[in-house]
Amino acid sequence: QVQLVQSGAEVKKPGASVKVSCKASGYTFTSYGISWVRQAPGQGLEWMGWISAYNGNTNYAQKLQGRVTMTTDTSTSTAYMELRSLRSDDTAVYYCARASLKPYYYMDVWGKGTTVTVSS
Amino acid sequence: DIQMTQSPSSLSASVGDRVTITCRASQSISSYLNWYQQKPGKAPKLLIYAASSLQSGVPSRFSGSGSGTDFTLTISSLQPEDFATYYCQQSYSTCHFGGGTKVEIK
Repeated sequence: QVQLVQSGAEVKKPGASVKVSCKASGYTFTSYGISWVRQAPGQGLEWMGWISAYNGNTNYAQKLQGRVTMTTDTSTSTAYMELRSLRSDDTAVYYCARASLKPYYYMDVWGKGTTVTVSS
Repeated sequence: DIQMTQSPSSLSASVGDRVTITCRASQSISSYLNWYQQKPGKAPKLLIYAASSLQSGVPSRFSGSGSGTDFTLTISSLQPEDFATYYCQQSYSTCHFGGGTKVEIK
């Protein structure tokens, strides 16, 4: 079955970086994109960006430009999201989701989430 | 950026009720509007894409309508498993979620 398996929880200090992985299975990885969405405790959903698994094109939320990098490894069907210069307000659950890009963009399969805690 | 405003932010309803949630875009987004359901501690689940297309496997009591700036998610007969938070998301320009609507038991 189609699934996305994310890496485990992380605890980081302010100023550090975190890299979350998302391994896809059950579908042709390069036929879709991967989006990243985060959710701070008790808050709503925040879209972070997406990456095309076909050609590596990316589109990042303006708010995170310069701090976030999304990559894929097509040999292992794995996507990665790296966030740098972490702050306390980056504490959140980070989700990856399969993204259908054409003709409409939507996220139809989601990982279970990775909790990232930023604390000194 | 295109902002999405959902209303109400919360509502109380009973099993069997018809529930309507509204999402308004700050400018026209054609039909580039999706709806998601999220239960506590779980990942979001896609319900509706392209404003009115029902995602495979989603019960037919869920429906979406609208285009341009005004959109609606309707649950025709609320079931116990439908108590959750619902989010709209526009994909016309970059991507933004609405603030969410929490559907609680009356």
